Amino acid sequence: QSVLTQPPSASGTPGQRVTISCSGSSSNIGSNYVSWYQQLPGTAPKLLIYRNTQRPSGVPDRFSGSKSGTSASLAISGLRSEDEAEYYCAAWDDSVRGPSVVFGGGTKLTVL
Amino acid sequence: QLQLQESGPGLVKPSETLSLTCTVSGASISGSSYYWGWIRQPPGQGLEWIGKIYYSGSTYYSTSLKSRVTISVDTSRNHFSLKVSSVTAADTAVYYCARQALVETPDSWGQGTLVTVSS
Repeated sequence: QSVLTQPPSASGTPGQRVTISCSGSSSNIGSNYVSWYQQLPGTAPKLLIYRNTQRPSGVPDRFSGSKSGTSASLAISGLRSEDEAEYYCAAWDDSVRGPSVVFGGGTKLTVL
Repeated sequence: QLQLQESGPGLVKPSETLSLTCTVSGASISGSSYYWGWIRQPPGQGLEWIGKIYYSGSTYYSTSLKSRVTISVDTSRNHFSLKVSSVTAADTAVYYCARQALVETPDSWGQGTLVTVSS
C-alpha cells in the first residue's frame, strides 16, 4: 500500500493530452514539494518534474506539473508513442513516524 | 556530469547481509549540500525509499527498514554504501543509489543493480 495514491493505469491516443493524479496528505504533498518520474522498461526512473512545476534541463515542455492542497497532477500534452511508460509521483514526508521519501504506486501510461 | 554506479553481489543467501556500494563521479560527496541515498524496486512492483546519508554521516532511514539497514559514507573514495541484514526473498529487488537534497526527492539516479535473495 503506497503512501501516495495514483491510478494504476491511464491511456490516450497520439496528440492527446492526458493527466495523472497523485493524492497524499498534509505531511507529504500538503507541506512539501512533489516530483514526478518516468520509468521506461528496464531503466532507472528519470526525473520529469521537481518542486511541483519545474522541469529539469532536457525535459520537453509537453510535460507539466501542478499541485493544489494535498494533491498533485502530471499533464502530458501532444502525447507521443515514446511517452508509454510507468509514471511515479513522490514527495518528502514529515510524518511523526519518521521523515522519509514516499512514492505513489505508479501509473502505467498506454499510448493507443 | 554527475554519474552514480552501484556495485555488489547479485546473489545473497537468506539470513545473510546484502552489501552494495555506490561510486559517485563528476561531483564530490563532501563538496555539496546534497544527501546520498538508496531506493529499491522489487520485480514488477513500485519504488521504495530506503534511506540517505550526508557526508558528515548524518542519516535518515525508512521506518519500515530501519532495524536492518545501515548506510555509510567514505568521502576519501567518494562512495557510499548500503547494508541490509537478515535478508529474505522479500528483499529481492533492483537497488538504486541516488542524490537528493535535504527535504526533497532524488534527482540523479544510478542505473540500478538487481540483487536476488536465494539459497
